[in-house]
Amino acid sequence: KNEVEQSPQNLTAQEGEFITINCSYSVGISALHWLQQHPGGGIVSLFMLSSGKKKHGRLIATINIQEKHSSLHITASHPRDSAVYICAASRADGLTFGKGTHLIIQP
Amino acid sequence: ETGVTQTPRHLVMGMTNKKSLKCEQHLGHNAMYWYKQSAKKPLELMFVYSLEERVENNSVPSRFSPECPNSSHLFLHLHTLQPEDSALYLCASSQDPSFPTNEKLFFGSGTQLSVL
Repeated sequence: KNEVEQSPQNLTAQEGEFITINCSYSVGISALHWLQQHPGGGIVSLFMLSSGKKKHGRLIATINIQEKHSSLHITASHPRDSAVYICAASRADGLTFGKGTHLIIQP
Repeated sequence: ETGVTQTPRHLVMGMTNKKSLKCEQHLGHNAMYWYKQSAKKPLELMFVYSLEERVENNSVPSRFSPECPNSSHLFLHLHTLQPEDSALYLCASSQDPSFPTNEKLFFGSGTQLSVL
């Protein structure tokens, strides 16, 4: 069992919908990263957070340390948001990655 | 454009070949990383270099040999690979030289490697 679990694994939605991707981790962490990977393979770091909530444009990331849970929200989703979203937990031995959520936004 | 450039983007090699993957970062960062991403598996850390010194070797087989000649360049030398080594190999960098870091990582676009 991976120490970082993401859900759903796959998500298809219509343009404009509100999207939520979840990440749960089983051990204590110092920070939680959200990453975006486009079909070309390159990865972009979206957020790094250790408490509360961060917002950047239409993206919002939240974390609940007590519940060991983080969510990534996308408001007014757009086809260009289609990508794999990966969460990663930062611990003493480095980053532990989830398997990713494959998001497709249909026009 | 993340400031981290990897070449080649795609590589096909036989099991007896020797090839090298190259990574260059233009960000003035102090640490560089090699990750492996296999299909339907999480990213796996392979190697970490901090201030040009290797600080992490995550039980990687010796057929993978990293080299960091300076703080801007990182290589992964490949020889006698196996078909199960086929994967996307990603390079990353961070400003913070400490490992592990809580700073953001900046990734390259990766090299898609196929071993026949």
